[in-house]
Amino acid sequence: DIQMTQSPSTLSASVGDRVTITCRASQSISSWLAWYQQKPGKAPKVLIYKASSLESGVPSRFSGSGSGTEFSLTISSLQPDDFATYYCQQYNSYPLSFGGGTKVEIK
Amino acid sequence: EVQLLESGGGLVQPGGSLRLSCAASGFTFTNFAMSWVRQAPGKGLEWVSDISDSGDSPYYADSVKGRFTISRDNSKNTLYLQMNSLRAEDTAVYYCAKIMVTTNYFDFWGHGTLVTVSS
Repeated sequence: DIQMTQSPSTLSASVGDRVTITCRASQSISSWLAWYQQKPGKAPKVLIYKASSLESGVPSRFSGSGSGTEFSLTISSLQPDDFATYYCQQYNSYPLSFGGGTKVEIK
Repeated sequence: EVQLLESGGGLVQPGGSLRLSCAASGFTFTNFAMSWVRQAPGKGLEWVSDISDSGDSPYYADSVKGRFTISRDNSKNTLYLQMNSLRAEDTAVYYCAKIMVTTNYFDFWGHGTLVTVSS
């Protein structure tokens, strides 16, 4: 089974900051990685798929990079609406698996 | 507009059973694989099960294998999750999710239904 490890688990930042979240896979997953945003009490929403492809309708301040085992999600200029929890997910093989999440808090 | 509406959650005793439903609309249900993903209170996301567009080839997480059964009725645009031998650790919000064609990421999620396993 592929384990997904995210860091940090919590991140404190201010509006306008550039923020980067990392995700590491326990074995190579090529580019089969997605990133999701979840706000309290709401369902997750996909931001990035295939490691770096922006989902339709997602602001361009979100970007993804990486391949193999190392991935990152970057928010170029943090906006008030971006304070949420972010998850990575590998879909290279079953069982599908998520990272533990990164909560982005207001500094 | 894509909509996924889960129902069937509630309070059940350990060892009991529950069937979740997910009514889909706004897209051609028969063309898409579907999934269940759960989230225990205050915890992260856990994939539970997938089913192909035709209803064959189900996959399950080890934590639910042998106890949960995923199925779908394409004539009713509805996804199901039959949950038997429920345990306290199955307590979670259960989300129905649409799987993007030819991939296994989730491009749309329902609002979720809460299952609480407690005596």
